Amino acid sequence: EIVLTQSPATLSLSPGERATLSCRASQTVENYLVWYQQKPGQAPRLLISDASNRATDIPARFSGSGSGTDFTLTISSLEPEDFAVYYCQQRRNWPTTFGGGTKVEI
Amino acid sequence: QVLLVQSGAEGKKPGASVKVSCKASGYTFTGSYMHWVRQAPGQGLEWMGWINPNTGGTRYPLKFQGRVTMIRDTSISTVYMELTRLTSDDTAVYYCATLDTPMPTWGQGTLVTVSS
Repeated sequence: EIVLTQSPATLSLSPGERATLSCRASQTVENYLVWYQQKPGQAPRLLISDASNRATDIPARFSGSGSGTDFTLTISSLEPEDFAVYYCQQRRNWPTTFGGGTKVEI
Repeated sequence: QVLLVQSGAEGKKPGASVKVSCKASGYTFTGSYMHWVRQAPGQGLEWMGWINPNTGGTRYPLKFQGRVTMIRDTSISTVYMELTRLTSDDTAVYYCATLDTPMPTWGQGTLVTVSS
């Protein structure tokens, strides 16, 4: 099974700052990497698919990059509503797996 | 618009079973595998398996084999996930989701609480 390691576990930032989140895979997932945002009491919300494709209605401040084993989610300038937990998921190999999450907090 | 609507919250006693439904709309039901993922309180996301709505074929990780069953009813575009021999460790929110598609969609989640 492919293990996804997200870092850091917690990111403490202020509104307006840039956030850089990492997701590293234990073996290549090519570009089959998805990023989600999750707020308390809500289902995960799709942000980025196939490593770098923004989902519908996702603001341009969210961007994804990487391929193979190293991936990055960047939030260029944090808005108050961006403080949440972010997960990566690989769909290259069975079983699909998730990273442990990065909490972006104020 | 792709939509997955799940059944409501459930409260169960240890040893019981729970069955959660997920009704799909807005796309070809048999065209995408349906996955189930759960999230215990304060924890991350745990994959529970998938069902192929076209064939009814399923695949479950070792952890849940023998305890989870996924079925579908194509006439009403609905998949079901049944989990048996519940313990307090099964207290979680359970989600259905089309994880294999380029733009995955998730249901709203179903809280299952296991308590004596």
